[in-house]
Amino acid sequence: EILMTQSPLSLPVTPGEPASISCRSSQSLLRSNGHNYLDWFLQKPGKSPQLLIYLASNRASGVPDRFSGSGSGTEFTLKISRVEAEDVGVYYCMQAQQTPPTFGGGTKVEIK
Amino acid sequence: EVFLVESGGGLVKPGGSLRLSCAASGFTFRDHSMNWVRQPPGKGLEWVASTSTRGNYIYYSDSVRGRFTISRDNAKDSLYLQMNNLRAEDTAIYYCARDRPYAVVTDDYYFYMDVWGKGTTVTVSS
Repeated sequence: EILMTQSPLSLPVTPGEPASISCRSSQSLLRSNGHNYLDWFLQKPGKSPQLLIYLASNRASGVPDRFSGSGSGTEFTLKISRVEAEDVGVYYCMQAQQTPPTFGGGTKVEIK
Repeated sequence: EVFLVESGGGLVKPGGSLRLSCAASGFTFRDHSMNWVRQPPGKGLEWVASTSTRGNYIYYSDSVRGRFTISRDNAKDSLYLQMNNLRAEDTAIYYCARDRPYAVVTDDYYFYMDVWGKGTTVTVSS
């Protein structure tokens, strides 16, 4: 089973400022097809998770372009270029390189 | 609009059983593989099980294999999770999630969970 580790656990942010979340996998998520099998989700308070990014860097439909994903192999980053109040919640990375899919422990983003 | 609505959760004693349902609408259910993902109170997400479009490829997490059964009825646009021999550690919100295929190369697809239901709560306690 691939272990996913996120940092930081908690991220206080100022609206309008950038934010960055790191996700590390215990095995490479890079396939021979050149794609990294990693997704990012946001779970807003009291809501179900919503997809933000798939294949490490592809924004899901309807996701604002202030969200971007990058990285390859075992190191990945989710960046928010300018945080808005509606971005608060817990962010999770998830690997889909092998079954079972596994999630990181989550990063709680809150407004300072 | 695409919807997934879970139902069937509740309070059950250890060793008991529950059957969760997920009703799909707004899309062609039979064209999508499906998943169950759970979240214990105050904790993170855990994938539980998945089924292919016709139910002929099924996968489980080690924590539920042998106790839970995922199934689907494409005629009823519904996904199910039969949970037997429930344990306290199965207490969680259970979400169903749709897989969306993305062609990474010809005839090779990546599946990502693009639509989630609101979840149904399962509590296992004596």
